[in-house]
Amino acid sequence: DAGITQSPRYKITETGRQVTLMCHQTWSHSYMFWYRQDLGHGLRLIYYSAAADITDKGEVPDGYVVSRSKTENFPLTLESATRSQTSVYFCASTLGTSGLDTQYFGPGTRLTVL
Amino acid sequence: AQKVTQAQTEISVVEKEDVTLDCVYETRDTTYYLFWYKQPPSGELVFLIRRNSFDEQNEISGRYSWNFQKSTSSFNFTITASQVVDSAVYFCALSEPTLMIYNQGGKLIFGQGTELSVKP
Repeated sequence: DAGITQSPRYKITETGRQVTLMCHQTWSHSYMFWYRQDLGHGLRLIYYSAAADITDKGEVPDGYVVSRSKTENFPLTLESATRSQTSVYFCASTLGTSGLDTQYFGPGTRLTVL
Repeated sequence: AQKVTQAQTEISVVEKEDVTLDCVYETRDTTYYLFWYKQPPSGELVFLIRRNSFDEQNEISGRYSWNFQKSTSSFNFTITASQVVDSAVYFCALSEPTLMIYNQGGKLIFGQGTELSVKP
């Protein structure tokens, strides 16, 4: 029962590079989400998806791109990383048809942009 | 606009003390859910409880209890007889319904978190 996994767990990159954070869930959950966690801000939603090929912006989408070609995967790409994108990134998923069900989180990816 | 406020940034208690973490929320929706998550030092987010807006009954789970009061828009969390293992950051969150084509999606609005330190 792997649940929801994220890779890599730690990543150091340089300003301007493209970085992709992977999220994979084994529950066949419909909804998936990407959040970033920063001191003083709690967790903020970047993007979310209701199903394969259905995505929408959250609170802080600028500088990020997502795709969802398969239900189980929801990669997050930083097209040109900036230092302000240094953060801990959490992926989450939920099954419910209403989307209001409990969200279960992956272990997080700590990204440092130098 | 939806908002969650956890006014207590840090709380420090001695083991066996009771401690209450405050959560105040704002929403215009009549149907919503409230959540508490725990983030231990290891960093993962652990789901603790979900409450819907139509159920104001208090809930108890072992040493944990939750007090939901719509009249004051609060959803407070109490740990009785705290233990060192309770040391963590606790987040309160509010679900925000959003329409995505034929589906109703739920986004979480998080408070800033309360860091609880329980000392032996």
